[in-house]
Amino acid sequence: GAVVSQHPSRVICKSGTSVKIECRSLDFQATTMFWYRQFPKQSLMLMATSNEGSKATYEQGVEKDKFLINHASLTLSTLTVTSAHPEDSSFYICSAAQLGRNEKLFFGSGTQLSVL
Amino acid sequence: GESVGLHLPTLSVQEGDNSIINCAYSNSASDYFIWYKQESGKGPQFIIDIRSNMDKRQGQRVTVLLNKTVKHLSLQIAATQPGDSAVYFCAENPPRASKIIFGSGTRLSIRP
Repeated sequence: GAVVSQHPSRVICKSGTSVKIECRSLDFQATTMFWYRQFPKQSLMLMATSNEGSKATYEQGVEKDKFLINHASLTLSTLTVTSAHPEDSSFYICSAAQLGRNEKLFFGSGTQLSVL
Repeated sequence: GESVGLHLPTLSVQEGDNSIINCAYSNSASDYFIWYKQESGKGPQFIIDIRSNMDKRQGQRVTVLLNKTVKHLSLQIAATQPGDSAVYFCAENPPRASKIIFGSGTRLSIRP
């Protein structure tokens, strides 16, 4: 199956710093990538939908200035958590959809962010 | 708002028995549903999907049933194995929306 690579797998940062998470589709082109957030023992919550070459669409309640998403190519999307605070600590997961198949998602392995 | 939910947050099953995980969805117009498996510290893994024009679909050891009348999905795992231990999520593709919304999840644990 298609492979989605997400890095880093784990990051610890100080409060107030910014953290960038990368999501790459390794063997297919992804016009659309999705970013999810997951707190312990909870479900995945969709944060935003990222389309190559255009601005991301954020879900209600997600601050676009805090969670910067860039989808500059058909194989790479990045999520930057700006001025991170302890409450931003969470498991962030990206997923990618193949061209024309937005419902068929392939997921990255997730990034555990811990903000001290 | 729209949501996809699960009846049981945890399920304990004897190894070798069949497991049945249930899910209720709220949007009657949704036309595509997916079951995912998530192991600790990993991203979700696709298990099986079903479209609304079907009521049953089978895979290897797994079967998904869709009851549109009561907006209910179930995942059946035959001959449950220790490797099946994980959290299972149902997910939904709302109409006219290119996104997947996840339900609340069920943790499946296997008794030896």
